[in-house]
Amino acid sequence: LAKTTQPISMDSYEGQEVNITCSHNNIATNDYITWYQQFPSQGPRFIIQGYKTKVTNEVASLFIPADRKSSTLSLPRVSLSDTAVYYCLVAMNNNAGNMLTFGGGTRLMVKP
Amino acid sequence: NAGVTQTPKFRVLKTGQSMTLLCAQDMNHEYMYWYRQDPGMGLRLIHYSVGEGTTAKGEVPDGYNVSRLKKQNFLLGLESAAPSQTSVYFCASSYPTGEVNTEAFFGQGTRLTVV
Repeated sequence: LAKTTQPISMDSYEGQEVNITCSHNNIATNDYITWYQQFPSQGPRFIIQGYKTKVTNEVASLFIPADRKSSTLSLPRVSLSDTAVYYCLVAMNNNAGNMLTFGGGTRLMVKP
Repeated sequence: NAGVTQTPKFRVLKTGQSMTLLCAQDMNHEYMYWYRQDPGMGLRLIHYSVGEGTTAKGEVPDGYNVSRLKKQNFLLGLESAAPSQTSVYFCASSYPTGEVNTEAFFGQGTRLTVV
């Protein structure tokens, strides 16, 4: 079963690009990589999902190398409102279907 | 669309009392999940369901029971509440396509305190 490892916390300043890397050495062939964002007192919110190479949407980019053992979430030009916890997930397949399990996440603090 | 709605939003229980948390979704999603989140920690999966009438254990199922009698509802029960179950509970739903578990939508959470 794939398990993810991310930095516990990161600091950045407004306007900078932030890259959060997640390790998932045991990722299975059919697993996708998904990132969620969580603000205090709210449920997580889907940011981006990918299988390999690069995926980009209006919020972020996701870079996945060929071996898929890691992934990097890139947030361009962060603002104070990007302060949140970011979770990297790898779908866990089992006989009953897909489990969505969250690790500890990365607490991003954006400073003025 | 309301999305995912959790009832109640707040609750205080005495040790040994029972209660049921209700999660309702109006997106016709197959998968539903219950999580708990303790202060400063990530979410831990309690139970989940891949369809009406089916449930499965997650990472921390002890002390909880669930039921999915209707596709749109997923109930989480605490038969005998303990202070260790003080937490924020989140419900989520998603619609997987083949091997891919697509975007999950979360409710606003239920803050439960057991005294």
